[in-house]
Formats: sequence, structure tokens, C-alpha cells
Amino acid sequence: GAVVSQHPSRVICKSGTSVKIECRSLDFQATTMFWYRQFPKQSLMLMATSNEGSKATYEQGVEKDKFLINHASLTLSTLTVTSAHPEDSSFYICSARKGRGSYEQYFGPGTRLTVT
Amino acid sequence: AQKITQTQPGMFVQEKEAVTLDCTYDTSDPSYGLFWYKQPSSGEMIFLIYQGSYDQQNATEGRYSLNFQKARKSANLVISASQLGDSAMYFCAMREPYNAGGTSYGKLTFGQGTILTVHP
Repeated sequence: GAVVSQHPSRVICKSGTSVKIECRSLDFQATTMFWYRQFPKQSLMLMATSNEGSKATYEQGVEKDKFLINHASLTLSTLTVTSAHPEDSSFYICSARKGRGSYEQYFGPGTRLTVT
Repeated sequence: AQKITQTQPGMFVQEKEAVTLDCTYDTSDPSYGLFWYKQPSSGEMIFLIYQGSYDQQNATEGRYSLNFQKARKSANLVISASQLGDSAMYFCAMREPYNAGGTSYGKLTFGQGTILTVHP
């Protein structure tokens, strides 16, 4: 199967600090990775699409300077929440797609961010 | 623009009974894909079933089947013989088509979700 990991699974940080979340495809190369945000009992909202070696494409309303995405290799994408505030507290989920011929996205287990 | 609608915020079913979770979609593209995911309280997204817009047959995966009504633009999930472990949030999602220019990467748009509770 295709496994995607996320680290950390939970993080608590103080307001004003930055937090980095890693998303790794463990047994396949992911040409495209996606970052989602989910509030309790709500749907997943796509934040950005990350392609290896190129700049991420952000969805409307998502601040690119606030949520920095780096897709440095075919197995790793990172999301950095800069100068986090309590309203950034959420569940962040990444997914990875193997390639253009693959329709399925493989999801990571998610990272719960709490900003105090 | 694509749109996915799940009109049932919550559903209840008795163990061993079948249940149908509704999903309607709207798109102007002839090529698209429809997914169902299960999200238990742990938060992980578990892929259940996929239906391509050109697939002639309804998709089935074990106890899961997708009732694909293309003309009605609906893609309902049918879970047969419900189990207590089926209690979770269920999401319907649509994949945007890839485009020849390479700028579309097949992103997913999710419905609002349905919380399914299976009673013993």
C-alpha cells in the first residue's frame, strides 16, 4: 500500500511562534501533495497544492506568507505556520498523489495544532 | 466550478442493516472522479470507494457500493450489513479533471460530511 506520515501528530505552541509540519510519502514518490485544514465536525478545506520543485498553488483566501509550503523532494512536503495565533488552531491533513496516472490521494494521519 | 453536497448532517442505522449516505455533485466537466472517505474519531481519512465519470458499472468494494446516477448527478454510498465500527464521519469528494496544460493536479473538493452512528 501507499503510506503517508505526518509529524508531529500533535503540537501545542505559544502565540507568535512558528510551527513546521512535515508530510512524507514513505513508500512512493509523490509528484503532488495537498494540504488541508479541518475544523471540528467540519469538512476538509484545501489550503494549497504542492508540487516538487515548484512553488505551491494556494487556494483563494489562504495567506501564502502565513502558511509557507515547501516541497523539497518527491517524498517530503512541509507546511510552516508562521507567527501562529489561536485562530490557527486546527487539524491539518496532508495527502499525496503518486503521479498523473493515479487518481487516488493517500492521506496522512493529520496534525492537531493548538496555539495558546 | 465544482460543488459537492451532502444534505444529511447525521444518520442513524441499526447494526446489520443497510444505510445509504447521499451525495450530489455539480460540474461542467465531462471527466471527473468521485470518492468516498471515512473519517473515524482518530482523524485519519480512510479511502472507501472510487467512481470514474466514464465507468459503466457502479463501483463496489466489499460492503461498500456506490449508486452512481450520472443524469441526476448523484453518487450515494450504500453500506450493507452495518457494523459498530462503521460509526464515523463520511465524506464524498470530487476530483477535478487533469488538464492538458499540466496546471491542474486533480485536487479534491469535499462535501460537508455525514456523521453515521451505528446502534447495537
